[in-house]
Amino acid sequence: DAGITQSPRYKITETGRQVTLMCHQTWSHSYMFWYRQDLGHGLRLIYYSAAADITDKGEVPDGYVVSRSKTENFPLTLESATRSQTSVYFCASSAQGVIEAFFGQGTRLTVV
Amino acid sequence: QQQVKQSPQSLIVQKGGISIINCAYENTAFDYFPWYQQFPGKGPALLIAIRPDVSEKKEGRFTISFNKSAKQFSLHIMDSQPGDSATYFCAVGGFTGGFKTIFGAGTRLFVKA
Repeated sequence: DAGITQSPRYKITETGRQVTLMCHQTWSHSYMFWYRQDLGHGLRLIYYSAAADITDKGEVPDGYVVSRSKTENFPLTLESATRSQTSVYFCASSAQGVIEAFFGQGTRLTVV
Repeated sequence: QQQVKQSPQSLIVQKGGISIINCAYENTAFDYFPWYQQFPGKGPALLIAIRPDVSEKKEGRFTISFNKSAKQFSLHIMDSQPGDSATYFCAVGGFTGGFKTIFGAGTRLFVKA
């Protein structure tokens, strides 16, 4: 199916564990983004990528790692999960950077 | 550093009324101003967007008003319907210097039937 998909939709992990959130898009969009959504903060940019093998930090990158070896995939890794990383994570893609980002359904991550 | 300030946090409007959500930004380098709509359990979706060379853009019941000198823009929803009940995010983006979009904190709109 065409679009942008995130997996898993829900994840519970323990403090200190490594966890990877997956994002896959089928449009061959150059740009991909990771946001976290927290009440009162809206959507905050974690990392973004302008093309395969090109990534850059957003507003809140600490504790996260990204990679983009293929255009269609943009995984987000929490190296050592903390309770403050409990959030809803959204992946998005765009053909032109700022113009119309298409969002996935989100991953609700709970760190206990 | 809060680059986009959105207000109000929540809004209750009667069916048929006008919903108004405001946004203020700081950096004049931004040149793309979208509004996104998000329903519960879904990702945000682009609703309407404006470039700074125009002061107003209308698409159906949705209008963006843009004041470049004041660094403010707003979303007006005319004839608000219960189906418009959602969270609305303003955002700012730049075509230079990073191509990233920064979002406001969001406004929860509830339209009473």
